[in-house]
Amino acid sequence: QSALSQPASMSGSPGQSITISCTGTGSDVGDYNSVSWFQQHPGKAPKLMIYDVTKRPSGVSNRFSGSKSGITASLTISGLQAEDEADYYCSSYTTSSTWVFGGGTKLTVL
Amino acid sequence: QVQLVQSGAEVKKPGSSVKVSCKASGGIFRSHAISWVRQAPGQGLEWMGGIIAVFGTANYAQKFQGRVTITADESTSTAYLELSSLRSEDTAVYYCARHTGYHYSSYMDVWGEGTTVTVSS
Repeated sequence: QSALSQPASMSGSPGQSITISCTGTGSDVGDYNSVSWFQQHPGKAPKLMIYDVTKRPSGVSNRFSGSKSGITASLTISGLQAEDEADYYCSSYTTSSTWVFGGGTKLTVL
Repeated sequence: QVQLVQSGAEVKKPGSSVKVSCKASGGIFRSHAISWVRQAPGQGLEWMGGIIAVFGTANYAQKFQGRVTITADESTSTAYLELSSLRSEDTAVYYCARHTGYHYSSYMDVWGEGTTVTVSS
């Protein structure tokens, strides 16, 4: 199972919006609505930001939103803030009854 | 408040095995699957396998088949990851993560703090 494809890095200024893409195949992203997004700050455990493509856990800012079209899922962060600077990972359940992660996107807030 | 508390850092020789634990507090242990995810230094997240705690059945990523064993002890609310035939490339932080449902097809919502495993001669 190959990793999902994410841009290695992205950047934006405070207040801007950015969208991180996550491209899989018909055996993972394209076949399930089981896409999650995690935020990870250096030296910390991943934190769930979006689950089941579009749902936001309690306590996560509504500046974070998710979507999916075909084999590509996306995470949009609106109104960028300094604290959003982190690594972001997508993940998807697969037809092999396994999970696969994206390679991660390093987000820099300028 | 659900918490996953992992065992401490390990230093192992190449060719040996390591066993990492993940103790759950809060919630009902048997109602949730547990997965193990690792992260090599400077690298991304990698799913290793998951276990349906109530049945004790596990599924593993193909990459680790034959080298990894995931078990769960309901009496102590603890999940375990054992990795054998260690090599330097296994040096990583190993995380346990709880799934919201009894099956590992549900999403992972709570993560342990991570256990650093260093493989070095």
